[in-house]
Amino acid sequence: GAVVSQHPSWVICKSGTSVKIECRSLDFQATTMFWYRQFPKQSLMLMATSNEGSKATYEQGVEKDKFLINHASLTLSTLTVTSAHPEDSSFYICSARFPAVTDTQYFGPGTRLTVL
Amino acid sequence: DQQVKQNSPSLSVQEGRISILNCDYTNSMFDYFLWYKKYPAEGPTFLISISSIKDKNEDGRFTVFLNKSAKHLSLHIVPSQPGDSAVYFCAARTNTGNQFYFGTGTSLTVIP
Repeated sequence: GAVVSQHPSWVICKSGTSVKIECRSLDFQATTMFWYRQFPKQSLMLMATSNEGSKATYEQGVEKDKFLINHASLTLSTLTVTSAHPEDSSFYICSARFPAVTDTQYFGPGTRLTVL
Repeated sequence: DQQVKQNSPSLSVQEGRISILNCDYTNSMFDYFLWYKKYPAEGPTFLISISSIKDKNEDGRFTVFLNKSAKHLSLHIVPSQPGDSAVYFCAARTNTGNQFYFGTGTSLTVIP
C-alpha cells in the first residue's frame, strides 16, 4: 500500500520556539494532504487541507498564522507550529490522498509534540 | 457538530469470536465510507472502504456493511484475534468534498 512518512516522530521544544513537521508521500504523488490533530481519547480533528502549489484551507477555529502549512511539491507538505505554547502539545498526524480507484487517505505515523 | 458517531467507546471480545463495531452518520450526502485501525502513538491504518452503491464489502476477516436508510455502517471482524486490539475509526466523505469526517473511535480489546 501507499506509504506516508512523518518527521520527526517525537519533538520536545521550549515555549515560544517554532517547530516544523514534515509529511512525505513516499511512493505516490499527492496533490492533497491533510493535517490532523489528536487529543488524548478524542477523534482526529482536521486542522487544514494542504493543496500543492496553492494556499492551505484551514478549518474553522484553526489559526493559520500559528500553524503554517506549505505544500511545496507533490510529495511534501510541512506544518510549522510557530511560537509554540504548552497547549499546542498534541499528536499531529498528516495524511495524503491517494487518488486511485480507492480514493483513500493514507496516514503518516504521527508526530508527538511536547512544548515545555 | 459530530457528523459521524461511534457510540461505543470500547468493546471487549473473546478471541475467535466476532467483533462488531458500529458507526452512525447524519449527513445523507456522504457516499464513501472507510474504516481505520489505530495503535497508540501511530497514525491510522486504512482497513476497508465501501461506496454508497454497495451494502457490503468483504476483505478477508473484515466485512463492512452499509445501511443507507438507517445511516449506519458496521465493521465485522471474524474471527477476532488479539492483534486486532486497537482503536477503530470510521470515516465518511461526500462525493464533492475533499474532507473525511471521522468518528470518535471505538477501542477494541480481543481477549486471548
